[in-house]
Amino acid sequence: GQQVMQIPQYQHVQEGEDFTTYCNSSTTLSNIQWYKQRPGGHPVFLIQLVKSGEVKKQKRLTFQFGEAKKNSSLHITATQTTDVGTYFCGSEYGNKLVFGAGTILRVKS
Amino acid sequence: NAGVTQTPKFRILKIGQSMTLQCTQDMNHNYMYWYRQDPGMGLKLIYYSVGAGITDKGEVPNGYNVSRSTTEDFPLRLELAAPSQTSVYFCASSRQTGANVLTFGAGSRLTVL
Repeated sequence: GQQVMQIPQYQHVQEGEDFTTYCNSSTTLSNIQWYKQRPGGHPVFLIQLVKSGEVKKQKRLTFQFGEAKKNSSLHITATQTTDVGTYFCGSEYGNKLVFGAGTILRVKS
Repeated sequence: NAGVTQTPKFRILKIGQSMTLQCTQDMNHNYMYWYRQDPGMGLKLIYYSVGAGITDKGEVPNGYNVSRSTTEDFPLRLELAAPSQTSVYFCASSRQTGANVLTFGAGSRLTVL
């Protein structure tokens, strides 16, 4: 079935360290979306990537879409305690948005 | 705009009971979705709808039913609750496919004992 694989499942970093989560697919993706879910909250849209090799930045967050449109990454520079949460990638298959399993980020201050 | 509103926020059910999770959106979005999220796990698509009168199964539809009689409302029905349906349920909506940015509701936490 349609799947996007996300790694790592869990990461615990010291405040100020960098963090990266990866999303991979065996098939070409039409686009990739990233969402953040704070503990106890609901997923909130961060960004969408559509073009091959696309790179977008939001302050300390950098999002990349692979040249083959089969993988994507989210990189956070110098994590802060406000970055805590679960980061999901998702991709469209027909009319459906299918999500990866998410990466849980914990930040030690 | 309230966005996507889900009720109830919390519910405890006994095995075999039935209930309906309500979801309504005021953004005139055509697409609506139901996801479930088990503890520490990702989001699994249960059912979705591309417009009033049209629904389709997602990844994990067994044990659930939906209807879409209006653009605004997309209720999720559990007919015979089972412990495996203990989860947090999120309703979401989007304007259209191709630019399918989802707006999520706050979630409904369901426990089946």
